[in-house]
Amino acid sequence: RKEVEQDPGPFNVPEGATVAFNCTYSNSASQSFFWYRQDCRKEPKLLMSVYSSGNEDGRFTAQLNRASQYISLLIRDSKLSDSATYLCVVYNNNDMRFGAGTRLTVKP
Amino acid sequence: DAGVTQSPTHLIKTRGQHVTLRCSPISGHKSVSWYQQVLGQGPQFIFQYYEKEERGRGNFPDRFSARQFPNYSSELNVNALLLGDSALYLCASSFQGALLYEQYFGPGTRLTVT
Repeated sequence: RKEVEQDPGPFNVPEGATVAFNCTYSNSASQSFFWYRQDCRKEPKLLMSVYSSGNEDGRFTAQLNRASQYISLLIRDSKLSDSATYLCVVYNNNDMRFGAGTRLTVKP
Repeated sequence: DAGVTQSPTHLIKTRGQHVTLRCSPISGHKSVSWYQQVLGQGPQFIFQYYEKEERGRGNFPDRFSARQFPNYSSELNVNALLLGDSALYLCASSFQGALLYEQYFGPGTRLTVT
């Protein structure tokens, strides 16, 4: 079993749609969680950290479920510019583990 | 302000050769980490250096080594290249010493081993 697993997609959604991604992790001792965004042939960039109580940044909401060992990302009112690969990242003891990413395409 | 810079952008090497990749962090950042990203996969952590000392190491063979210089720039060295080493090598910098903090990635060096 991979340490961090994501549905690779692709998710193809129309503009304005709501889309959600899940990510599961295997190490119950994992300490911190993040979502990074990677555009095609570009470097990853931090989208948001994921806090235990859940957190929101504009149209983006992240949730953490430690009991079930998964994190989620919800994107509301999708924009064309949201098209990218979304990487789930799990941190433990100065080791970062990235998922393979979920690809999102938002269409007009 | 300049972001993380990496050189070269592209590189083609033959199996068995050695390669050195270079990274300059954002000004003021003291931590540099290296990642390997194979096509279709997420980045895989190789090393982290902070204040010129190794702070973390991923599950990579001893053919991979790195160092950080007094100006906080860094080199990643790979010996005895294998076809499987073909990947995008990403460098990331951060101000703090733990990977817990936001990592700012450079554009990467695309290495092809033939």
